[in-house]
Amino acid sequence: DTGVSQDPRHKITKRGQNVTFRCDPISEHNRLYWYRQTLGQGPEFLTYFQNEAQLEKSRLLSDRFSAERPKGSFSTLEIQRTEQGDSAMYLCASSLNPARGGETQYFGPGTRLLVL
Amino acid sequence: AQKITQTQPGMFVQEKEAVTLDCTYDTSDQSYGLFWYKQPSSGEMIFLIYQGSYDEQNATEGRYSLNFQKARKSANLVISASQLGDSAMYFCAMREGSSARQLTFGSGTQLTVLP
Repeated sequence: DTGVSQDPRHKITKRGQNVTFRCDPISEHNRLYWYRQTLGQGPEFLTYFQNEAQLEKSRLLSDRFSAERPKGSFSTLEIQRTEQGDSAMYLCASSLNPARGGETQYFGPGTRLLVL
Repeated sequence: AQKITQTQPGMFVQEKEAVTLDCTYDTSDQSYGLFWYKQPSSGEMIFLIYQGSYDEQNATEGRYSLNFQKARKSANLVISASQLGDSAMYFCAMREGSSARQLTFGSGTQLTVLP
């Protein structure tokens, strides 16, 4: 499978716990994105990496959220001190550099987070 | 103001018929890109079709075509010969400006294909 993969697919946690999600992009894609999708809504942008550099962060990304892409390959998204409002689907996407002819973002299957 | 507006929360279509899903957008940028994604109940967002603001021809990909009307700021998705497997949530999205990275999504249209 050469698509975007995410792990875990589902996570149930108690309020106040920390959680970490992983995303593996399509191998030749140097851009990686995180989105959050709540029930009945479209995805909302959280943050974006080009290689290992985090170049954009949404105002939705509070201080409890941190994302890394240490070697420019896989990325992790950590949520500290989870709150019930963090319950959502967390989607990862990757793309080529548009200068190389592709700006389409390809999404992974998502991680469904439920905070009790 | 909403950047992407999808006014049809739900649509029904008979199998083998064509269906149009509406999308209007709001931007003052000259360079932008418009995308349609399909999201089945499993949750994965599947890319369907892309239209650049400078593209003169409407985009087509198999049974999917994008009816791009720039002056009206609309980018409707047309699905021809609907199949039962087309039942899903459909999202319109926009990349605004030449340097922007993120996509802004609409609220989606739930399409149900009836046998």
